[in-house]
Amino acid sequence: KQEVTQIPAALSVPEGENLVLNCSFTDSAIYNLQWFRQDPGKGLTSLLLIQSSQREQTSGRLNASLDKSSGRSTLYIAASQPGDSATYLCAVIPEGGSEKLVFGKGTKLTVNP
Amino acid sequence: NAGVTQTPKFRILKIGQSMTLQCTQDMNHNYMYWYRQDPGMGLKLIYYSVGAGITDKGEVPNGYNVSRSTTEDFPLRLELAAPSQTSVYFCASTATGYSNQPQHFGDGTRLSIL
Repeated sequence: KQEVTQIPAALSVPEGENLVLNCSFTDSAIYNLQWFRQDPGKGLTSLLLIQSSQREQTSGRLNASLDKSSGRSTLYIAASQPGDSATYLCAVIPEGGSEKLVFGKGTKLTVNP
Repeated sequence: NAGVTQTPKFRILKIGQSMTLQCTQDMNHNYMYWYRQDPGMGLKLIYYSVGAGITDKGEVPNGYNVSRSTTEDFPLRLELAAPSQTSVYFCASTATGYSNQPQHFGDGTRLSIL
């Protein structure tokens, strides 16, 4: 059974710092990996999607990497801002799974002014 | 752009009552999903559908039922509400299987059962 783990569970940093969020998964047979952002009381917003054949994806100040063989992904946020404060969720789609996402528990990020 | 719309946003139920959580999407997506999120936990899949008339169980289906009579709508029904069903429920959709397109989520329904 695929399991997704995110470390740390919570992170607090000063504004302007570069930071890395970690995601690991137990079964390397994945179709893709997705990073989402969740603001309090809101739904999930897709940030980046990395296909299994890709190594990384970038969007603005965000860069996500994927090492499928070792079961790891990282989300790098450059020059963090208070507006980046949110919970970040990692999810994978296992191969042969009708696009059923398996989620980690998330990392709650606080960026202090 | 409406995307995925969920109603109601909040609801309080008494034990044993029933209700239907509504979900509709206007993107002509074939795949739709229902998740629940408990505090401090990731999302867990309740039911999903790959097209009108086709539904299947996810990881935590007990106590819930779904139907998919149209492409746009995917309601989730609780027949006999129990305190363990207190949670935030999210509906999501995506275009087709293995499209490498992200899932689109609604804003959720916050349900308390007392």
